[in-house]
Amino acid sequence: AQTVTQSQPEMSVQEAETVTLSCTYDTSESDYYLFWYKQPPSRQMILVIRQEAYKQQNATENRFSVNFQKAAKSFSLKISDSQLGDAAMYFCAYRSARRYGGSQGNLIFGKGTKLSVKP
Amino acid sequence: DTEVTQTPKHLVMGMTNKKSLKCEQHMGHRAMYWYKQKAKKPPELMFVYSYEKLSINESVPSRFSPECPNSSLLNLHLHALQPEDSALYLCASSQVITRTGETQYFGPGTRLLVL
Repeated sequence: AQTVTQSQPEMSVQEAETVTLSCTYDTSESDYYLFWYKQPPSRQMILVIRQEAYKQQNATENRFSVNFQKAAKSFSLKISDSQLGDAAMYFCAYRSARRYGGSQGNLIFGKGTKLSVKP
Repeated sequence: DTEVTQTPKHLVMGMTNKKSLKCEQHMGHRAMYWYKQKAKKPPELMFVYSYEKLSINESVPSRFSPECPNSSLLNLHLHALQPEDSALYLCASSQVITRTGETQYFGPGTRLLVL
């Protein structure tokens, strides 16, 4: 079974600085997808960035980028020029790329990292 | 447009009440999901619908009854709930789940309190 681990329950960053949130996962599969979701206090889960495992190039989305290390099964999120609005719970999630069956297509979430941004 | 809407935003109900949660999307997605999220925990999958048919039930108690009346709507009927069922209920949608890697888009959730 696949697992996702976020080892940092809480992180803090100064406004305009850069912060990196870590995520590791365990899988025996070679083809899968990884996601970072942001959940602010309003509780809506918002997609931040997505990475396909077969792509070596790291995904980027404006101030958000990932460092995807497939061999190490690591998928960290870097937030540059942090803003107050970035304060939220961040969840790393895994999804198998297998053809759907049973629970193989489900999103598997890590426990989350709570990010605080200091003005 | 990547909007998923959910109503109501908040719901308080007694253990003998019957209530329903509603979810709607107009992105043409044919897969819809219900998740339950307790405070400071990640979401837990409850149900998955594909082409308006229930494809996954993650051993959810029968006091939760999902319904997908059409491709845009997803309901969750609640009856005889327990206080431990108090949580945030999230709806999500994605393209058909027989394809791979579909991104799930989440609604804002319904915060449920069972007294």
